[in-house]
Amino acid sequence: EVQVVESGGGLVKLGGSLGLSCAASGFTFSDSTMNWVRQAPGRGLEWVSSIDSGSSYINYADSVKGRFTFSRDNAKNSLFLQMNSLRVEDTAVYYCARGSGDGFDYWGQGILVTVSS
Amino acid sequence: DIQMTQSPSSLSASVGDRVTITCRASQSITSYLNWYQQKPGKAPKLLIYATSTLQSGVPSRFSGSGYGTDFTLTISSLQPEDSATYYCQQSYSTPYTFGQGTKLEIK
Repeated sequence: EVQVVESGGGLVKLGGSLGLSCAASGFTFSDSTMNWVRQAPGRGLEWVSSIDSGSSYINYADSVKGRFTFSRDNAKNSLFLQMNSLRVEDTAVYYCARGSGDGFDYWGQGILVTVSS
Repeated sequence: DIQMTQSPSSLSASVGDRVTITCRASQSITSYLNWYQQKPGKAPKLLIYATSTLQSGVPSRFSGSGYGTDFTLTISSLQPEDSATYYCQQSYSTPYTFGQGTKLEIK
């Protein structure tokens, strides 16, 4: 059974930092490109970042470039999103998802990040 | 960045109706177009990838078509459980942009 589970969300102050984790199982994690996608309250989906299987190619949305860092540990089937200099507009549910060219097929349940001013 | 524009933003239809949602890309994305269904409080679910390939387990009443910049998602006979928001997404190049969503309600 495939499982993708995000953790680490919560309330943080404007300008603060927060780290999200994602634990995956049930598929070949070490061969998979992984992503973070976020959804602000009542809004649509926004792709945030992707990382290829070997961490050679990491891409970011312009809205988070320079502030967020995406990494992975294939030995632990885990992903990490370090979020610095957080803004109110970073408030969203953050989803971890597998995929690339053929869409995102496995998603976590999402974790809420709230940035307060 | 490639912009994705969906239409309509919302629609209401009856059980059994044929429903079509369109998605337009700001430049050619060949066949790298995916469709997702999202219900309130849930993660998105991949319905169709590569324009027209049905994800495993997705009912055959869902279909997709198009190429280049213009794409459609069709539900051939609407069911009550199809009430949701639908998003297109291009996976041609990063950033993997999504459309703004189409909220589908059942009359």
